[in-house]
Amino acid sequence: QVQLQQWGAGLLKPSETLSLTCAVYGGSFSGYYWNWIRQPPGKGLEWIGEINHSGSTNYSPSLKSRVTMSLDASKNQFSLRLTSVTAADTAVYYCAREVAGSDWFDPWGQGTLVTVSS
Amino acid sequence: EILMTQSPATLSVSPGERATLSCRASQSIRSNLAWYQQKPGQAPRLLIYGASTRATGIPGRFSGSGSGTEFILTISSLQSEDFAVYHCQHYNSWPRTFGQGTKVEIK
Repeated sequence: QVQLQQWGAGLLKPSETLSLTCAVYGGSFSGYYWNWIRQPPGKGLEWIGEINHSGSTNYSPSLKSRVTMSLDASKNQFSLRLTSVTAADTAVYYCAREVAGSDWFDPWGQGTLVTVSS
Repeated sequence: EILMTQSPATLSVSPGERATLSCRASQSIRSNLAWYQQKPGQAPRLLIYGASTRATGIPGRFSGSGSGTEFILTISSLQSEDFAVYHCQHYNSWPRTFGQGTKVEIK
């Protein structure tokens, strides 16, 4: 059964760069899209973007100018970088798998709370 | 961008009763809709995809219906473990968007 485990810095100052990594255990890395989704405290979910095993990416237009996703297939890991963070980027960030051609998210990582505060 | 609107924001239901949650899309998304359950401090869990197909391991008391712009998630007889927040998500186009969630609480 595939599991996603994520990690990264939990406290950032404004203007810094958010960096998170998600590792895939127990399943194939290829044939899937790997996504990042975030949830501000007490609010709904926001899709950030996706990357496939070939490195092709698709980002949310609202975040596209600040987002970079990458992957390391040899380690079954993918990563998120979000530059120039502000308090509005404070959220729980989740990684999630999307089966190519399915477009829904399953499973999800455990989530990482990232707080942006001076 | 397609706007997803869920109602109500909070639904108070007694155990054993039926819960009916609504999700509306700002334009037609055909049947390209998923539902997720999220418990406090946990990641969302996939319940339904294709508007009406239960994900693996999801109990039969969960059912989804609808197409186009109007969708319903029904929990036929609420169990204690079903009290949670439920999110809908479309995947008809990019960007994927979610509703704001419906919290199902114990009445």
